[in-house]
Amino acid sequence: QVQLVQSGAEVKKPGASVKVSCKASRYTFIGYYIHWVRQAPGQGLEWMGWTNPNNGDTNFAQKFQGRVTMTRDTSISTAYMELSRLRFDDTAVYFCARGGDSSGYYFDNWGQGTLVTVSS
Amino acid sequence: QSALTQPASVSGSPGQSITISCTGTSSDVGAYNYVSWYQQHPGKAPKLMIYDVTNRPSGVSNRFSGSKAGNTASLTISGLQAEDEADYFCTSITSSSALDWVFGGGTKLTVL
Repeated sequence: QVQLVQSGAEVKKPGASVKVSCKASRYTFIGYYIHWVRQAPGQGLEWMGWTNPNNGDTNFAQKFQGRVTMTRDTSISTAYMELSRLRFDDTAVYFCARGGDSSGYYFDNWGQGTLVTVSS
Repeated sequence: QSALTQPASVSGSPGQSITISCTGTSSDVGAYNYVSWYQQHPGKAPKLMIYDVTNRPSGVSNRFSGSKAGNTASLTISGLQAEDEADYFCTSITSSSALDWVFGGGTKLTVL
């Protein structure tokens, strides 16, 4: 079955950047969008944006524009999300999720999550 | 964009049915038939339960069903079981800016 395996937990200082990876397997990587969703401790889910692995196109939630970059390396079926100028309130679990294969407007498989802690 | 509105909590006894609502606007839930629902157990990744308002992915119990009327979508769980206790989130695409997604705040389901 589809697998999305994310990189391990990170601890960063305010103002730094973090780059989270999401390695896909058991499906055609370039055929499905990859979305990034985050969840602050005890809070709900927040959509951050998507990348199209086929051509590298991206779209970000307005809140993150200017601070987030989403890239991919098709040779190793891996998507990346980099968030810069980290703040304390960026502390969250970051998930990658695959866009569904019907309409595409849903997330049918999720990575296990990567905890990013912003602490001085 | 604002989050979709869900009740903070719902509860029910085993065997009963419950419904979780997800209220948006004419720019999101009311505009598109692309509401999806996710179940999340503590410390786990979300799991897709319903997509495109009413569709159930392979492997998801037919006790889960979805519907929509106007700007409000609903998730119904029938024959409640202990393992249904979890957080549930709805999401929809929104045309308020580019084609973005917006989530509900989440509903904690307690099986009494």
